[in-house]
Amino acid sequence: DTGVSQNPRHKITKRGQNVTFRCDPISEHNRLYWYRQTLGQGPEFLTYFQNEAQLEKSRLLSDRFSAERPKGSFSTLEIQRTEQGDSAMYLCASSARDYPQETQYFGPGTRLLVL
Amino acid sequence: AQKVTQAQTEISVVEKEDVTLDCVYETRDTTYYLFWYKQPPSGELVFLIRRNSFDEQNEISGRYSWNFQKSTSSFNFTITASQVVDSAVYFCALRKETSGSRLTFGEGTQLTVNP
Repeated sequence: DTGVSQNPRHKITKRGQNVTFRCDPISEHNRLYWYRQTLGQGPEFLTYFQNEAQLEKSRLLSDRFSAERPKGSFSTLEIQRTEQGDSAMYLCASSARDYPQETQYFGPGTRLLVL
Repeated sequence: AQKVTQAQTEISVVEKEDVTLDCVYETRDTTYYLFWYKQPPSGELVFLIRRNSFDEQNEISGRYSWNFQKSTSSFNFTITASQVVDSAVYFCALRKETSGSRLTFGEGTQLTVNP
């Protein structure tokens, strides 16, 4: 059973460019989450999906951010017109629907640096 | 509002010492879930334990043990006979039953185990 995978692992971009990250959850996990982690801080929730439905979005998710999970499998997180403040680690997690006992399993993250 | 506090920013010990990582949480919910995750330098968050609010039984897993006390809103984590491989950032997290699936993390404790 493979874990959560994320690509790319690292991304360097210039301010104003668009970037897209991909997350592949553990197979058969129907819930998928995105978190953002800045240096020296704990992860902060951004959004989550149950199957293809985006059920919750944090206020941290500005209009420049969009997430999709078109077929209820992998997900993409796009940041448009990147800003230096977007530099962070973007973590993806997935869980099976054994609510309320669910446990979220995390991927290795995508580290974004905006120059 | 919910909050998780890990007052110890950094802890440094010598191999084979026991070490306790503190976690204090705030929530008004009567049903909630507490978690510990380990984040080694590679960046991936590794799940260690989940504890439900209605189960105050302490747990031991090998060199790891957890002390959950609702009366003091604490969920502390002890590593016995620490090893160099235990060096990592450890995060405590909270999920309320009424907050959907989002995890609220503390700021983490950087543990360094020196040989």
